[in-house]
Amino acid sequence: QKEVEQDPGPLSVPEGAIVSLNCTYSNSAFQYFMWYRQYSRKGPELLMYTYSSGNKEDGRFTAQVDKSSKYISLFIRDSQPSDSATYLCALSNQAGTALIFGKGTTLSVSS
Amino acid sequence: DSGVTQTPKHLITATGQRVTLRCSPRSGDLSVYWYQQSLDQGLQFLIQYYNGEERAKGNILERFSAQQFPDLHSELNLSSLELGDSALYFCASSLLLAGGMDTQYFGPGTRLTVL
Repeated sequence: QKEVEQDPGPLSVPEGAIVSLNCTYSNSAFQYFMWYRQYSRKGPELLMYTYSSGNKEDGRFTAQVDKSSKYISLFIRDSQPSDSATYLCALSNQAGTALIFGKGTTLSVSS
Repeated sequence: DSGVTQTPKHLITATGQRVTLRCSPRSGDLSVYWYQQSLDQGLQFLIQYYNGEERAKGNILERFSAQQFPDLHSELNLSSLELGDSALYFCASSLLLAGGMDTQYFGPGTRLTVL
């Protein structure tokens, strides 16, 4: 079983839709949970960063962590064509250590 | 712009050759990470340096090596290149504060093609 599982998609939605992206993981030692966005041929950029369980909201983006289920989610409200990218979940068990990435979900938002 | 720079952007070379990838971290960041991204494996951690010292190793092949210099820039050396080494290589940097959250900022990557 891989440490982090993420459905690669692709996921296609119309503009304005609510998007739900998810990862599951197996290692209960993970405490830091991140979502990165990667545009084609670019480096990943950090979207959301949460510690332990709970929700975090930033504009149209909401990150949820359920440690009991080992399940993390990213919700995008009012999706825009500019949100079309690959979304990577990343996890670590300590601050300042290597990130373990999911393989990424490719999202396409059509206008 | 993350503030992390990587050179070159693209590198095309032949099997058996040796290349060097360069990374300059964000101003003030002491920690540098190298990751490899391929279609089948995704983003995988290779090695981490902190203030000039190796801190952690991941799935790095023996043919690969890295170092971090006193000015904090880092180089990743790949030797005896094989076709399977073709990938995107990313550098990330972070401040690495004790405790708390530590954000890794990624550079634009170097695309390596081995022919």
